[in-house]
Amino acid sequence: AQSVTQPDIHITVSEGASLELRCNYSYGATPYLFWYVQSPGQGLQLLLKYFSGDTLVQGIKGFEAEFKRSQSSFNLRKPSVHWSDAAEYFCAGGGSSNTGKLIFGQGTTLQVKP
Amino acid sequence: EAGVAQSPRYKIIEKRQSVAFWCNPISGHATLYWYQQILGQGPKLLIQFQNNGVVDDSQLPKDRFSAERLKGVDSTLKIQPAKLEDSAVYLCASSLGPGRGNEQFFGPGTRLTVL
Repeated sequence: AQSVTQPDIHITVSEGASLELRCNYSYGATPYLFWYVQSPGQGLQLLLKYFSGDTLVQGIKGFEAEFKRSQSSFNLRKPSVHWSDAAEYFCAGGGSSNTGKLIFGQGTTLQVKP
Repeated sequence: EAGVAQSPRYKIIEKRQSVAFWCNPISGHATLYWYQQILGQGPKLLIQFQNNGVVDDSQLPKDRFSAERLKGVDSTLKIQPAKLEDSAVYLCASSLGPGRGNEQFFGPGTRLTVL
């Protein structure tokens, strides 16, 4: 069955430090993958997406992610975290069907220390 | 451009009562999704509409949940009767179409508490 796993439930980093949030997927076919961010009381906002092509994708707010088929991973990175990045981050994937259905990971809560 | 609107934002009910949530998608978006997000989990798709037809409702508990999108625009999700385990945030999302290339835009959600 298709699945998306985020191994880290909670991560704390200092402001200005680099960030990497992990995401692993399990799909038979070539997946299409997304990272969303959710601030308290807000809906989900798309940070970036990967469909095909260049395995390093750039997103909004200075985020990037790298698709690694050999590791079944799609990790999110940011070189320097800002206090405003504190939020919950969700990795999501869609499978071979073209319905647009997304399967979400359980999320990673990011806390930023001043 | 206006985003996806949802109401109410918060709702508290007792178990066995009924409740309804409303969603107004972005204008022109043919595809509408309802997700359930239980605390500490990622969103789970309940139902997907393409215009006013159902594309996927495989994870909708049909004995108590129902949804409609009669005119292919607004949508209503109903729970009757509610159970304690229905406490969650219900997210509505819309996209131009169902294909994998279409970004889903999410509303702020309705937080339901069942006592």
